[in-house]
Amino acid sequence: DTEVTQTPKHLVMGMTNKKSLKCEQHMGHRAMYWYKQKAKKPPELMFVYSYEKLSINESVPSRFSPECPNSSLLNLHLHALQPEDSALYLCASSPGQGARDEQFFGPGTRLTVL
Amino acid sequence: GENVGLHLPTLSVQEGDNSIINCAYSNSASDYFIWYKQESGKGPQFIIDIRSNMDKRQGQRVTVLLNKTVKHLSLQIAATQPGDSAVYFCAENTYSGGSNYKLTFGKGTLLTVNP
Repeated sequence: DTEVTQTPKHLVMGMTNKKSLKCEQHMGHRAMYWYKQKAKKPPELMFVYSYEKLSINESVPSRFSPECPNSSLLNLHLHALQPEDSALYLCASSPGQGARDEQFFGPGTRLTVL
Repeated sequence: GENVGLHLPTLSVQEGDNSIINCAYSNSASDYFIWYKQESGKGPQFIIDIRSNMDKRQGQRVTVLLNKTVKHLSLQIAATQPGDSAVYFCAENTYSGGSNYKLTFGKGTLLTVNP
């Protein structure tokens, strides 16, 4: 299995809602990533987990809360989001977080905040 | 801070022509570079990578060139096909502390292939 899967594909939520994005990989990768991508822009790194521990938080607002329950799963909990948080949220994984570790991306979750 | 950028935001070519997409990077210490293809509604897909100890690497219909002197990357696509239409991003793996690295993406080039 060489895929990164993400659910849901699309999510519409209000500013008072709480929702979660899910990501899964079964490639035995030990690093997992969340990116945010606005239209016609490159992906921007949000969080990195390495060996199930938070390795990087790119100063992301606390309304985004990552969680890595195990080495195959990565969640992103959303609460009190703003309309400007509407974007494509991409998950990726790599064997490690080393200099030459290739990242594999999932298809993304298209999030709309009303 | 350091950044990776692209010279051309859009490129339109005829089917069968060769395409060249360019990218400039500013971190001279970067060791590993990747080209990704992103089709509409999908996540980025790995195309080809190159390490800093190489200046050229070839794949199937694609070639990446690295010029460390001027900090420039290019992606060449031979015999471009309609299925190659997508946004292409270069990315560099930059050091982020400890033994960890993170990807920094360039702005992206939209390639349109006309039949």
